Amino acid sequence: DAMVIQNPRYQVTQFGKPVTLSCSQTLNHNVMYWYQQKSSQAPKLLFHYYDKDFNNEADTPDNFQSRRPNTSFCFLDIRSPGLGDAAMYLCATSLAGRTGTQPQHFGDGTRLSIL
Amino acid sequence: RKEVEQDPGPFNVPEGATVAFNCTYSNSASQSFFWYRQDCRKEPKLLMSVYSSGNEDGRFTAQLNRASQYISLLIRDSKLSDSATYLCVVMGSNYQLIWGAGTKLIIKP
Repeated sequence: DAMVIQNPRYQVTQFGKPVTLSCSQTLNHNVMYWYQQKSSQAPKLLFHYYDKDFNNEADTPDNFQSRRPNTSFCFLDIRSPGLGDAAMYLCATSLAGRTGTQPQHFGDGTRLSIL
Repeated sequence: RKEVEQDPGPFNVPEGATVAFNCTYSNSASQSFFWYRQDCRKEPKLLMSVYSSGNEDGRFTAQLNRASQYISLLIRDSKLSDSATYLCVVMGSNYQLIWGAGTKLIIKP
């Protein structure tokens, strides 16, 4: 009964070859997040969607793009992956409303390797 | 100064002992606070939210001190399975969660 599903679990790509990671959710949450996490570090927020509104973090490289075609799906596109982009990519969702934001629910993550 | 600071550890603790983590945050307007647990190479999982009056869930107790801008997590009667990294998370503006770097806990038999 997975609620936030990320595909694939492991992705290997070549240096400079575009790659897309996907995330889907069955929670009907209005906020979706993409994080990058490198070894022994906290997750780093790349961007998030509040409904259809896209919010990019100031230090997210232009190489990273995102799409949210509907409530359930969100994609992370890396246009030209470099060796430094090898990391775990985590998708999370939460429900935000007038009473505040609920905790985030995470997918299992996609581990990206760059050859 | 980092927005959310934690002692990185590792904390090496014998099984059955009590261990406490502190976390400080810089934005006095922060409203929501959480503790997450992350096992090696796995995604973070919510351990508990932190409420103003403090809250307890079994062996885990979380407290918030707004005046001093810190939150704490206490684990009693620690188990081997408690070994993990514990992440302090504070909600900033615009629905953004700000993460501490985590404290690594190792429970030894």
